[in-house]
Order: sequence, then C-alpha cells, then structure tokens
Amino acid sequence: EVQLLESGGGLVQLGGSLRLSCAASGFTFSSYAMSWVRQAPGKGLEWVSVISGSGDTRYYADSVKGRFTISRDNSKNTLYLQMNSLRAEDTAVYYCAKVERWLDGDWFDPWGQGTLVTVSS
Amino acid sequence: DIQMTQSPSSLSASVGDRVTITCRASQSIRNYLNWYQQKPGKAPKLLIYVASSLQSGVPSRFSGSGSGTDFSLTISSLQPEDFATYHCQQSYTTPWTFGQGTRVEIK
Repeated sequence: EVQLLESGGGLVQLGGSLRLSCAASGFTFSSYAMSWVRQAPGKGLEWVSVISGSGDTRYYADSVKGRFTISRDNSKNTLYLQMNSLRAEDTAVYYCAKVERWLDGDWFDPWGQGTLVTVSS
Repeated sequence: DIQMTQSPSSLSASVGDRVTITCRASQSIRNYLNWYQQKPGKAPKLLIYVASSLQSGVPSRFSGSGSGTDFSLTISSLQPEDFATYHCQQSYTTPWTFGQGTRVEIK
C-alpha cells in the first residue's frame, strides 16, 4: 500500500523558515515525480512545486519561486520542502502527493494526510 | 497561467439525485483534466483522471467527460458518502492549477 506521511509543520514567525518532510513507502520512490500542494484555511487547493523522480527537474508556482525549494533523497524515500521568507499567506495545510505520469497529463495519487503551517506575526 | 472555473460553487442535493459539476479552462487543455473529492479535514482523493478515466476503486456512479475547455463530473445517483467538496485540476502545463472547488451539501 502506498503511504505518504508529512511532518515538519508548525507555528513560525513572519520571515522565518521551515522544512517539511514527506516519508514515502509502498512504491519505488525514485521512479515517480512528487509534488507539494497546499490549502489555506477555508480555501481551495494550490499547487506549489513538483520534482522529477531523479530530482533533476523542478517547477514552482510563482507565489513561492525564490523562497521555497523542493528536494528529495531517494536513498531515504523522502521528499522535502524548504520554506524560507515565510509570509502570512503561506499559512496552509501542505500535502505531498505522488505524481502519476510525468509532464504528460499528470495527476496526483495518493495524497498524504497533510501538515499545517501557520505563519504568525 | 491557465484559469480553471468550476460551477456551481456549491449545490444542495438529495440522496439519489443526479448531480453534474462543470469545470471550464481559460484555454484548451486537451483532456488533461482531473477530478478530486475532499471531505472535511481529509486529504483530497483522486476520482477521475485525464477527463474520463475512473480511478480504481471509485464507484461507477462517478463519471467524467469533456475535452478542450469544457469538462464535467457527474454523479449518477448521489449517495450519503458523496457529500464533499470536488476539485478539478489541469495538468496540461505548469503551473498546474485547480478550480475553486464545488461543495455538495445535503438538501
């Protein structure tokens, strides 16, 4: 069974940093792209970033470009999201998701349970 | 960026009703459109991928259709466990974008 387990969320000051992790199991991690998607309280879903299976290709939403960095450690089956210069609007539940296919009509399946990031002044 | 617009934003329906949710893209996305179901406090769950393919394990009362810019998700006979929020998502090009969601409530 594919499982994704996020961790690392919490309360952080405006302008601060946080690193999220997503531990994967039940599939060949290095063969799949992985993505982060977030959801602000009471709002819709917003795609944040994606990284290829090898880690050599990454894309970001404009809202996080230059502040967030996606990475992965295929030896540890773990996906990361380094978040710097955090803003109030980054407050959200952050989900990691396995990406089916790669840049050819991709979809997210499954999703982790999410980890809440709260940016406070 | 490709804008995705869902309608309606919310709807009230009864068990057994046929429900249709639409999703419109700001430009053609071929058939690169996915649908997810999300229940309160839970992660989204994939229902339909590439517009009309039913994800394994998803009940056959769910179906998707469309191509180009106009898509729809239909629930043929609404069940109690279907009351949730539904999201469409395009994967034609990054940044991948979602619709604003459609909340399906009990009438």
